[in-house]
Amino acid sequence: AQSVTQLDSQVPVFEEAPVELRCNYSSSVSVYLFWYVQYPNQGLQLLLKYLSGSTLVKGINGFEAEFNKSQTSFHLRKPSVHISDTAEYFCAVSASGNQFYFGTGTSLTVIP
Amino acid sequence: NAGVTQTPKFRVLKTGQSMTLLCAQDMNHEYMYWYRQDPGMGLRLIHYSVGEGTTAKGEVPDGYNVSRLKKQNFLLGLESAAPSQTSVYFCASSQTSGRTDTQYFGPGTRLTVL
Repeated sequence: AQSVTQLDSQVPVFEEAPVELRCNYSSSVSVYLFWYVQYPNQGLQLLLKYLSGSTLVKGINGFEAEFNKSQTSFHLRKPSVHISDTAEYFCAVSASGNQFYFGTGTSLTVIP
Repeated sequence: NAGVTQTPKFRVLKTGQSMTLLCAQDMNHEYMYWYRQDPGMGLRLIHYSVGEGTTAKGEVPDGYNVSRLKKQNFLLGLESAAPSQTSVYFCASSQTSGRTDTQYFGPGTRLTVL
C-alpha cells in the first residue's frame, strides 16, 4: 500500500508571509499526486495535481507544488498567504487501481 | 447544478442500529466513492463504484455495505452500527478514475454512534 506523510499537523503563519506545507510519499512505482483543501464545515476541493510533465504544478488561489521524484516529495507553496487560506490541506497519492490515499492533513492558520 | 449532495447532514445512532447514507450527484459522473474522516487519520476509502451496478472495496470496508442501483446515487449502509464507526463520512464523484481525475466532494455527514 502507498503511504503519504504530511510532516506538519499545524502551521501558523502571518498574513502576507510565504508558506510551505510538506508532503512525502512512499512508492516504488509511478504515482499521481494531489493537493486538496478543506474549508471549515465543507467537503474537499482540488487545489492542484501532478500527473506527468513539468514538475512544477500551478493550482488555484496562487498555490503551486513541486514534484521531486528523488526525494519522493510534493510540497505545496504560496508566496503570500491571505486570511481566506485558513483551512485544512490534504496531500493524496494514487498509484494503481482505483485506490487513493490521503495524508493526515495540515491545518494552516493565517494570523492577521 | 448542485454537484454532490449528502443526506443526512447529522445523525446519532445507538449501538446496533442500522442506517443508510445517501449520496447523489448531478454531474453524470461514472465513479463514486465513500470516505470516512477521523481525527489524525485523514480520509480513508471505504468503498467505491466505477459505474452503475458495480461496487468495490476500498481500504476500510468492514462493517459497511454499498449499492449503486442508479448512476447518480451511491448508498452507504451500516447494518449494525458500532462506536468505532463514529466519524465524518464524505462522498465524492469523478468522471473518470479518481486516480487521475478530479474528485468532487459532498459536504459530509457527521455520524455519532453511542
